[in-house]
Amino acid sequence: EAGVAQSPRYKIIEKRQSVAFWCNPISGHATLYWYQQILGQGPKLLIQFQNNGVVDDSQLPKDRFSAERLKGVDSTLKIQPAKLEDSAVYLCASSLEGGGQSGNTIYFGEGSWLTVV
Amino acid sequence: AQKVTQAQTEISVVEKEDVTLDCVYETRDTTYYLFWYKQPPSGELVFLIRRNSFDEQNEISGRYSWNFQKSTSSFNFTITASQVVDSAVYFCALSDLQGGSEKLVFGKGTKLTVNP
Repeated sequence: EAGVAQSPRYKIIEKRQSVAFWCNPISGHATLYWYQQILGQGPKLLIQFQNNGVVDDSQLPKDRFSAERLKGVDSTLKIQPAKLEDSAVYLCASSLEGGGQSGNTIYFGEGSWLTVV
Repeated sequence: AQKVTQAQTEISVVEKEDVTLDCVYETRDTTYYLFWYKQPPSGELVFLIRRNSFDEQNEISGRYSWNFQKSTSSFNFTITASQVVDSAVYFCALSDLQGGSEKLVFGKGTKLTVNP
C-alpha cells in the first residue's frame, strides 16, 4: 500500500516569495493533516481536513498560510509571503477517520523541507 | 491543555545496550490515546505504537517494549539490545480530541544515537 506522498521534498526561497506544497494521502483516508515541524521541536498541527471540510485550523497563520482539499483527496498548502521563521519541515499526514475518539493511527509522509533565506 | 514532556533531549549508547526513553503527559480527558513515532534522518515519522487510556497492559514487539502507567501519567519506551539502525529522533504524542478534531500533541523528541 502506498504511503502519504508529498512534493517537493526540498525548497529554498527568498523571504516574501510564495511556495506551495502538495500532498496525496493514503487511499481511502478521509482525514488529512498538515503539520509544521521546526528544527529541534515536535510537529505542530496547522490544519486538519475531514474529506474536503476544515475541522481545525486554529493554529494556521491565516494571514500568510492557506490550504485546500477541493475534491477530498489531494491537498495543497500555500505560504505567501514567506518569512524567515517559516523555515521548517511541512509534514502531511492522513488517517482513516478523525473527528472524535476514534484513536485512529495517523500516518505521515516524508515531509517537505522549506528554507527561507 | 494537552502536554507531552520528553525530558531527555539526547541519549547516546553503545550498541547492544538497553535504553529507555521517557514520556510524561498531561490531559484532562478520560479517554485518550498515546503514540510513539520514530523519525530517521530522512524525515518521515514512522508509527511505532498506539495505546488507549483503558489498556494499561505493557506491550512488547521484538526488541521494543512500552510501559504505560496511568498513575504517573507516563508512557516509557525501551529498546533492548540497541542497534545502530535504532539511531533516530523518537517522539511521544498524545491525542487531543477537543472541538471535534483529532490532532496529536507531540513532545520535543529524544534524539537517540547508537554507536557501534
